[in-house]
Amino acid sequence: GAGVSQSPSNKVTEKGKDVELRCDPISGHTALYWYRQSLGQGLEFLIYFQGNSAPDKSGLPSDRFSAERTGGSVSTLTIQRTQQEDSAVYLCASSLAEWAGELFFGEGSRLTVL
Amino acid sequence: GNSVTQMEGPVTLSEEAFLTINCTYTATGYPSLFWYVQYPGEGLQLLLKATKADDKGSNKGFEATYRKETTSFHLEKGSVQVSDSAVYFCALHINTGTASKLTFGTGTRLQVTL
Repeated sequence: GAGVSQSPSNKVTEKGKDVELRCDPISGHTALYWYRQSLGQGLEFLIYFQGNSAPDKSGLPSDRFSAERTGGSVSTLTIQRTQQEDSAVYLCASSLAEWAGELFFGEGSRLTVL
Repeated sequence: GNSVTQMEGPVTLSEEAFLTINCTYTATGYPSLFWYVQYPGEGLQLLLKATKADDKGSNKGFEATYRKETTSFHLEKGSVQVSDSAVYFCALHINTGTASKLTFGTGTRLQVTL
């Protein structure tokens, strides 16, 4: 596609439910990143994929968070047993190579946990 | 660890005023430095970058100079426009070979009025 596409754009869920957030990167981009943007907290790194492998998953806040990438393209971020503190905007970004000096971001998925 | 500190917003200016948004960093090694901008309803996009000390990045009338001696990368624009209203993020990157990610500041909201 023309840009990084994320879905859903908005998700409201109840505490304890599982949610899946999807990211479709720019075609041909091998690197993919997930960040979390919370009010007043800036952008918090979650995980980085190069192809289908994740050499850096150091930012995942707990074992309730997981992510996978298949076919070197689409990625899914899964949050199990959601908590209110998980409410945030989840941003996906892709890059042409492992480090090409620029990340291209999607518009994000806003998650609200009631 | 690596970190970025930005001045807190919001910053409110009249059109044609001079803009400075301060950014300082802490890093082990020699980072590349970036400013990203997030316009309302859009994803983050790269505004400018500098990869080594004394480099000046510039784009759309914005400038920032990589100052190693003060570990700073302040964003400036001589005459802001209403269309510059957005959130500005300072970021750094160090390629460690195994980890490749941007570390962001908390963002500074700029509001330009007529």
